Amino acid sequence: SQQGEEDPQALSIQEGENATMNCSYKTSINNLQWYRQNSGRGLVHLILIRSNEREKHSGRLRVTLDTSKKSSSLLITASRAADTASYFCATDDGRDDKIIFGKGTRLHILP
Amino acid sequence: DAGITQSPRHKVTETGTPVTLRCHQTENHRYMYWYRQDPGHGLRLIHYSYGVKDTDKGEVSDGYSVSRSKTEDFLLTLESATSSQTSVYFCAISVTGLDEQYFGPGTRLTVT
Repeated sequence: SQQGEEDPQALSIQEGENATMNCSYKTSINNLQWYRQNSGRGLVHLILIRSNEREKHSGRLRVTLDTSKKSSSLLITASRAADTASYFCATDDGRDDKIIFGKGTRLHILP
Repeated sequence: DAGITQSPRHKVTETGTPVTLRCHQTENHRYMYWYRQDPGHGLRLIHYSYGVKDTDKGEVSDGYSVSRSKTEDFLLTLESATSSQTSVYFCAISVTGLDEQYFGPGTRLTVT
């Protein structure tokens, strides 16, 4: 089934540095979404980028989408301890009314 | 936060017993979803609903059934719980099938 795959699986960086994580997918999509999950909590929607968009910003978040490479990246600038979480990308397959989540990137911000 | 609750939040049950998890929303969203989350597998869709009495299977639907008799409630039933169904279950809602989803706090289910 269609699935986004995040890379890397885990990432540790110093507070204040930028964090970049990537998502690759297999088939044409309508949109791609990024979610955050803090330990033991439900997922929280961060940003949605549509297939006709190339870049989108929200606060310290920047998402890019390259449909020719079937890939997306999430950049978190000036990381903070509170950014420690798992980050998931989610894609549709261009047909059905549901999205499929990847396995996530675990981000750890070191003090 | 979106008005979405799950009950119970924690449950321990024995193999072979039936279990029902409830998802309740106050947002009047059309779509509701049940996922399970397990280490190494990420979030996997069990069943979803696109309206009252309208449901469809997801990626891992075997052993699970759902019902939606009202817009606000989506029930997930394990007819005969097995140890492989030990997991954290999340409910989510959305306006359309492809837009952002809002998640509940999760239910931790342990089948012994």
